[in-house]
Amino acid sequence: DGGITQSPKYLFRKEGQNVTLSCEQNLNHDAMYWYRQDPGQGLRLIYYSQIVNDFQKGDIAEGYSVSREKKESFPLTVTSAQKNPTAFYLCATQTDLNTEAFFGQGTRLTVV
Amino acid sequence: RKEVEQDPGPFNVPEGATVAFNCTYSNSASQSFFWYRQDCRKEPKLLMSVYSSGNEDGRFTAQLNRASQYISLLIRDSKLSDSATYLCVVNRPNFNKFYFGSGTKLNVKP
Repeated sequence: DGGITQSPKYLFRKEGQNVTLSCEQNLNHDAMYWYRQDPGQGLRLIYYSQIVNDFQKGDIAEGYSVSREKKESFPLTVTSAQKNPTAFYLCATQTDLNTEAFFGQGTRLTVV
Repeated sequence: RKEVEQDPGPFNVPEGATVAFNCTYSNSASQSFFWYRQDCRKEPKLLMSVYSSGNEDGRFTAQLNRASQYISLLIRDSKLSDSATYLCVVNRPNFNKFYFGSGTKLNVKP
């Protein structure tokens, strides 16, 4: 099936730990995005990538890092520098600049 | 000022009612507009794109007013299954960005 796969669905992190969220797509889309959603709030852009080996910071990149070594994959690392990482993380792709975004099912990260 | 603003609601309506949401955007360079639906603890899913000429899909009608910089969503004959949060999304491709509203919550009651 074509689509966007995020894993894991739920993730628990201890304070001071780095964790990596996976996002894989087989839609052959060039653009990929990471968003964070907090309860009752809109989506905020963390990082985005338009092509392989290139990515740009979004509005809230501090404490996060990404890589784009393959077109299909855009993993997000939540580092210990991110002071309030508990949130719902959504990966999205886009085929062309004027088209809609497609979302993965999300990863719910909780700091314990 | 936020890029995209929506009334958070909730809008509580009975089944069969007609309900309308508006969304304003601040940047006139915005080029693409969308309505997404998000169910509780799920990912957003595209409901419909919004074209300059307006568009309709069954019970749903979306309109764009560039002069006043707002988009609207009209839902006719509301169903219980329409209960969700509706996100207004604006795309500015020159900036490689989507701007999301914080969503309008709709509760359709029996």
